Amino acid sequence: KAGVTQTPRYLIKTRGQQVTLSCSPISGHRSVSWYQQTPGQGLQFLFEYFSETQRNKGNFPGRFSGRQFSNSRSEMNVSTLELGDSALYLCASSLGGASNTEAFFGQGTRLTVV
Amino acid sequence: ILNVEQSPQSLHVQEGDSTNFTCSFPSSNFYALHWYRWETAKSPEALFVMTLNGDEKKKGRISATLNTKEGYSYLYIKGSQPEDSATYLCAYLGRGTYKYIFGTGTRLKVLA
Repeated sequence: KAGVTQTPRYLIKTRGQQVTLSCSPISGHRSVSWYQQTPGQGLQFLFEYFSETQRNKGNFPGRFSGRQFSNSRSEMNVSTLELGDSALYLCASSLGGASNTEAFFGQGTRLTVV
Repeated sequence: ILNVEQSPQSLHVQEGDSTNFTCSFPSSNFYALHWYRWETAKSPEALFVMTLNGDEKKKGRISATLNTKEGYSYLYIKGSQPEDSATYLCAYLGRGTYKYIFGTGTRLKVLA
């Protein structure tokens, strides 16, 4: 069974540009969560989607947005990139976002903003 | 602001030693606690999902306990091996929130 796939794996962008990251969940999983990890910080929750609906959003500026498609694939977009957006972005999928279902993580997209 | 704290931040042990780490989380509105192992250059891997006060889970040499009333969970590793070297993360889920709050992790290094 294929795991969670994130593309691209690495990305270099310039300040002010925008970027779209993609996450393909495990087949049958309907919940996708996104996280940001910066040096010295834990995984910071960005948002969670289930069946194309955003159920929760973390404390990030409006430049960070996401969406989920009918096939459960999800994208996140960051507009007007800042140097501080340089981070590892991870997505995780699970069956339904319920407490008793474990989440499976992708390998992440490492974004560098220069 | 909900806080999930893990201690210690890092730990070096000798091969064969047993060790344990702590995850502290809010005791109110508790729904679940997850433990993950994150090895360098890999994805975080789920170890345990814990939901009930008094839960004890075990996978090989690794086990975990849960106390939801006082808001803590312990992860134990018996007879540590070099391949146990990783960062161990816990994540708290509040009821109805669909939002996992992660601790900053305990980085374990097992010396051969």
